[in-house]
Amino acid sequence: EIVLTQSPGTLSLSPGERATLSCRASQSVSGNYLAWYQQSPGQAPRLLIYGASTRASGIPDRFSGSGSGTDFTLTISRLEPEDYAVYYCQQYGGSPRTFGQGTKVEVK
Amino acid sequence: QMQLQESGPGLVKPSETLSLTCAVSGGSIKFYFWTWIRQTPGKELEWIGHISSTGYTDYNPSLKSRLTMSVDSSKSQFSLNLNSVTAADTAIYYCASATTSYSYFDLWSRGSLVTVSS
Repeated sequence: EIVLTQSPGTLSLSPGERATLSCRASQSVSGNYLAWYQQSPGQAPRLLIYGASTRASGIPDRFSGSGSGTDFTLTISRLEPEDYAVYYCQQYGGSPRTFGQGTKVEVK
Repeated sequence: QMQLQESGPGLVKPSETLSLTCAVSGGSIKFYFWTWIRQTPGKELEWIGHISSTGYTDYNPSLKSRLTMSVDSSKSQFSLNLNSVTAADTAIYYCASATTSYSYFDLWSRGSLVTVSS
């Protein structure tokens, strides 16, 4: 099983600032099959990024993903009020599919 | 616009079977892998497994011995049965879709809280 470790656990930033979230895998993620999801309170997770760097339909371009192998990054270039949420990475290259434990982006 | 809606009891007694159904609307059930994911009270997400429209399944090994999934194409719905539940199975259960066996989850249901308690 591939274990995904996200850091930091909580990121405290002001609106307009840049957010950088990390996801590290315990072994190489096949095909860079790595996705990022956003979860706002009381909502289901929403797909942001797949294939490590491809934005899902309707996702603003302030969200970008990068990385390969075992190290992946989600960057939010300028935080908007609606971006304060919990973010999860997930690998779908191996079975079982696994998720990271999440990074909470909160208002500073 | 395809939508997913799960249904089932919100309370299950320990040692009994948790049963949930997910209805697919606005699209065909034939072209996806239908997935169950749960989120614990601590907010951790766990992939439970998936079933294709033809009945091919892939289960999380941690749950495999207690798990059965099925699909009913005539009703455009798929189901989850998890037996011998304990308090550790208390979670929000989501159904979701994936385009292939190894794919991300691009559509999620709203989620259904299932509590295991006597």
